[in-house]
Amino acid sequence: ETGVTQTPRHLVMGMTNKKSLKCEQHLGHNAMYWYKQSAKKPLELMFVYNFKEQTENNSVPSRFSPECPNSSHLFLHLHTLQPEDSALYLCASSPNLGGSETQYFGPGTRLLVL
Amino acid sequence: GQNIDQPTEMTATEGAIVQINCTYQTSGFNGLFWYQQHAGEAPTFLSYNVLDGLEEKGRFSSFLSRSKGYSYLLLKELQMKDSASYLCAVRDRDYKLSFGAGTTVTVRA
Repeated sequence: ETGVTQTPRHLVMGMTNKKSLKCEQHLGHNAMYWYKQSAKKPLELMFVYNFKEQTENNSVPSRFSPECPNSSHLFLHLHTLQPEDSALYLCASSPNLGGSETQYFGPGTRLLVL
Repeated sequence: GQNIDQPTEMTATEGAIVQINCTYQTSGFNGLFWYQQHAGEAPTFLSYNVLDGLEEKGRFSSFLSRSKGYSYLLLKELQMKDSASYLCAVRDRDYKLSFGAGTTVTVRA
């Protein structure tokens, strides 16, 4: 238990659906992140938010849309996804962007796009 | 971008020692992290190195050589519960973390 929760844990959606992933942390952290983890591939950073402001969009397709309403919550809105978007989506948070503090990861949402 | 290499798989016997190497090329360096990830679970933090040398935490140690772009994670007195994927991650000058593909360690009785 890292203090970062994600819902849902599993999601199956069609290519025409719209869904949202939710991440929540009550650790008092100021930075939050979305990562994509595909089988046998490195974790890929998608988005970074620092004090609710997006500081990084790592060339992510527009069918993924992040939202950070406050420093405790982070959403990833999904629409018209492709089968190759099937992966584990991990949320993480850290006290700040730098320093020796690690990022704390949530358990992830396992997404399957049919 | 970053280039981080680590072996895909390693197997060792319970009670033994295993060393997982990680080499990296990065645009600026702001620290190296090691994470452990059990199947179906979140990565959990193991160690952090920003200066050259060895950091020891119980059965796990991590070493860094910035001039060589090299790190290793040393797991001692292996236990069955240590079977997991071990991720090497490097933070660049913009504080972005880039991960290796992970090393799957299997501990056999």
